[in-house]
Amino acid sequence: QQQVKQSPQSLIVQKGGISIINCAYENTAFDYFPWYQQFPGKGPALLIAIRPDVSEKKEGRFTISFNKSAKQFSLHIMDSQPGDSATYFCAARLYNFNKFYFGSGTKLNVKP
Amino acid sequence: NAGVTQTPKFQVLKTGQSMTLQCAQDMNHNSMYWYRQDPGMGLRLIYYSASEGTTDKGEVPNGYNVSRLNKREFSLRLESAAPSQTSVYFCASRGYKGSDYGYTFGSGTRLTVV
Repeated sequence: QQQVKQSPQSLIVQKGGISIINCAYENTAFDYFPWYQQFPGKGPALLIAIRPDVSEKKEGRFTISFNKSAKQFSLHIMDSQPGDSATYFCAARLYNFNKFYFGSGTKLNVKP
Repeated sequence: NAGVTQTPKFQVLKTGQSMTLQCAQDMNHNSMYWYRQDPGMGLRLIYYSASEGTTDKGEVPNGYNVSRLNKREFSLRLESAAPSQTSVYFCASRGYKGSDYGYTFGSGTRLTVV
């Protein structure tokens, strides 16, 4: 049973467009929600993260939107660039056990 | 500033062989983790070490053992490799990166068991 469900599995966006990746969870004990970016042949790298007391966090072209009541959060990439082409993972931390659970990943392809 | 270093980067094993994957971090983090990554499965936790001297099972520990040698090093051992253990293995340590808190991952070990 996957603790964090991520969609879509793959995404194609034109350069300059908005990329949106969604994640959902059920366990209300999750208390921290990071996103990771992974390029081929590399390990995932922490991109941006949010705590549930905040509805939105923005860093440059990357924004996390968080809906606590719906138990959903999403990553928005504004003005998407070919260099953003990568696999993106959402994650959630189970506070009492200090473990992170990952979504299944979204492969983003930004067309020039 | 190396971060998390994993060795080897690639390995091919025959069924039944054993091997140890090495991991070291230089960020003075207390917690370290081993994940495996398979297509469509995301990252699944094998074992973790919350602090030096402690280890705990994750979601998929069967067929693996770990050793937290010291604060810097956390190794993963496959005692008798099976084709189902063909995967990409990532070591990670946990701490702050700027203002965000999360994992720093190594570059991975690509393991094939034939």
